[in-house]
Amino acid sequence: EPEVTQTPSHQVTQMGQEVILRCVPISNHLYFYWYRQILGQKVEFLVSFYNNEISEKSEIFDDQFSVERPDGSNFTLKIRSTKLEDSAMYFCASRKGPANTGELFFGEGSRLTVL
Amino acid sequence: GEDVEQSLFLSVREGDSSVINCTYTDSSSTYLYWYKQEPGAGLQLLTYIFSNMDMKQDQRLTVLLNKKDKHLSLRIADTQTGDSAIYFCAADSNYQLIWGAGTKLIIKP
Repeated sequence: EPEVTQTPSHQVTQMGQEVILRCVPISNHLYFYWYRQILGQKVEFLVSFYNNEISEKSEIFDDQFSVERPDGSNFTLKIRSTKLEDSAMYFCASRKGPANTGELFFGEGSRLTVL
Repeated sequence: GEDVEQSLFLSVREGDSSVINCTYTDSSSTYLYWYKQEPGAGLQLLTYIFSNMDMKQDQRLTVLLNKKDKHLSLRIADTQTGDSAIYFCAADSNYQLIWGAGTKLIIKP
């Protein structure tokens, strides 16, 4: 069964460092998303991406964050100059069509710990 | 903004049925989802229901949707210790999923 894969599963970094989280969405999907979950809190939307550009982003997704689809398979989330409060589980998701058209598939998540 | 609410804990005896409830605010939500999250793990899609349905059954899982009241429930029949997890309700709203805070299901022997 096709699945969304994410790497690394866990990354520990020092405050101020840059981090890149990687995702391989399902191959025939066109819409990609990043969500995050701070420990004990709700899952929060960060950004959606379609046709090589950001289609929507939340208030959380400030200038510190960026996304990229560097090739035909990877979808990355870059966090410049990480802060302690960036510690969270980051989930990548993909779907075939736009919102409200079908199932959203999530990866297993990348746990980011900022020290 | 739109919101999804669910109670934080549910405790049931092994073998009983568990019913986890959820309410949402966006009446235009087309898909409503139930995800399971075990400690330290990712989000596992359990099931979802399209808004023009009022019930969906999948083995031990039954989803009921009351669209008028914007109420969704997940029933797990014959609850087992392996069902211990946090269960998230999520609703499609415009370009994103809106998530509940999760219901921790505790199984008593």
